[in-house]
Amino acid sequence: EPEVTQTPSHQVTQMGQEVILRCVPISNHLYFYWYRQILGQKVEFLVSFYNNEISEKSEIFDDQFSVERPDGSNFTLKIRSTKLEDSAMYFCASSPRRGDSEQYFGPGTRLTVT
Amino acid sequence: AQTVTQSQPEMSVQEAETVTLSCTYDTSENNYYLFWYKQPPSRQMILVIRQEAYKQQNATENRFSVNFQKAAKSFSLKISDSQLGDTAMYFCAFKAYSGAGSYQLTFGKGTKLSVIP
Repeated sequence: EPEVTQTPSHQVTQMGQEVILRCVPISNHLYFYWYRQILGQKVEFLVSFYNNEISEKSEIFDDQFSVERPDGSNFTLKIRSTKLEDSAMYFCASSPRRGDSEQYFGPGTRLTVT
Repeated sequence: AQTVTQSQPEMSVQEAETVTLSCTYDTSENNYYLFWYKQPPSRQMILVIRQEAYKQQNATENRFSVNFQKAAKSFSLKISDSQLGDTAMYFCAFKAYSGAGSYQLTFGKGTKLSVIP
């Protein structure tokens, strides 16, 4: 059964560094999402992406964040200058059609900012 | 803005018994969807069951069923005949109807369920 994959599983970076988290959505899916979960807190929506543009973003998704689908298969989340509070589990998700369908989640990337 | 509350951080159940996980939500939307996701240890979240708010009938998927009380804004998950493989974190989630232009899921904090042999 097709799955969403994410790399790396764990990323450690120093404060102020740029990181790129990678996701490969399920191949025939059209909608893509990033969520994050700070340890002990709720899973929070960051951004949704459709037709090569952002369709919705939360207030967390400020100018430090960007998303891209560079090659038709990968979907990336870039954090330009990481802060300690960016340490979290980042989940990618995809869905096959308009937003009422199920979102399929990847296993997550644990980002640790030191 | 929507909020989802899961008031039970942890629960345990004996194998083969029944357990109910609670979820309440708050919204001003009339059309929406509710979900229960399961996240086994070190695995990705998978959908367990979904409920459309316009449907009065409670959703059922094999051993999993929901008790959806729209007026009370309550959406509990019942797991019957619990199995060891049901051990996981369970998240309740809300999504407004996408006609309102929103695609995001709003999650509760989760309930950690342990099934005891």
